[in-house]
Amino acid sequence: SQELEQSPQSLIVQEGKNLTINCTSSKTLYGLYWYKQKYGEGLIFLMMLQKGGEEKSHEKITAKLDEKKQQSSLHITASQPSHAGIYLCGADRDTGNQFYFGTGTSLTVIP
Amino acid sequence: ETGVTQTPRHLVMGMTNKKSLKCEQHLGHNAMYWYKQSAKKPLELMFVYNFKEQTENNSVPSRFSPECPNSSHLFLHLHTLQPEDSALYLCASSLGGSGYTFGSGTRLTVV
Repeated sequence: SQELEQSPQSLIVQEGKNLTINCTSSKTLYGLYWYKQKYGEGLIFLMMLQKGGEEKSHEKITAKLDEKKQQSSLHITASQPSHAGIYLCGADRDTGNQFYFGTGTSLTVIP
Repeated sequence: ETGVTQTPRHLVMGMTNKKSLKCEQHLGHNAMYWYKQSAKKPLELMFVYNFKEQTENNSVPSRFSPECPNSSHLFLHLHTLQPEDSALYLCASSLGGSGYTFGSGTRLTVV
């Protein structure tokens, strides 16, 4: 079974709409990372969350980690075509000796 | 198994040793990547190969030397490493903008 489940698997939205991607673990996360993959390129780091209840924002993207540190959400406000890509969550577990990636969410933004 | 196989899973090496990490995929992917994952830090992209050609070298020290003999195999040759190079080294492969798949990683300890 996957360590990290992301939902939805794919998302198609109209430009200007808001959207949310979720990342869920059955176990406590040591650190939670959000990445974006641009087509044909490597992963781009977006944000890192470590404390329960933590929330970070960068431009139009906000990421939150719940109090139990088992679920994170990535929210994009007023989406643009430049937001299109595959979003991956990743997490450290335990003492950082293990690292897992989520199942990925493919985002398409229609102009 | 994700379809991307990395060997060895664990490696301990002295600072004067020479070792190699191996990554193999038979998913039909045309791009392969090396990442470094240090505790409490985001993934660091090291190298990108598209169709066996290196397209990115992210300012990685020369003590790390990649090799991509074909689209299915990727190596990372290591020599005269430093203790701060101890980390989890992740290999990934992709086919354009889809099927981004990570290996389980090699846990490297430099003593």
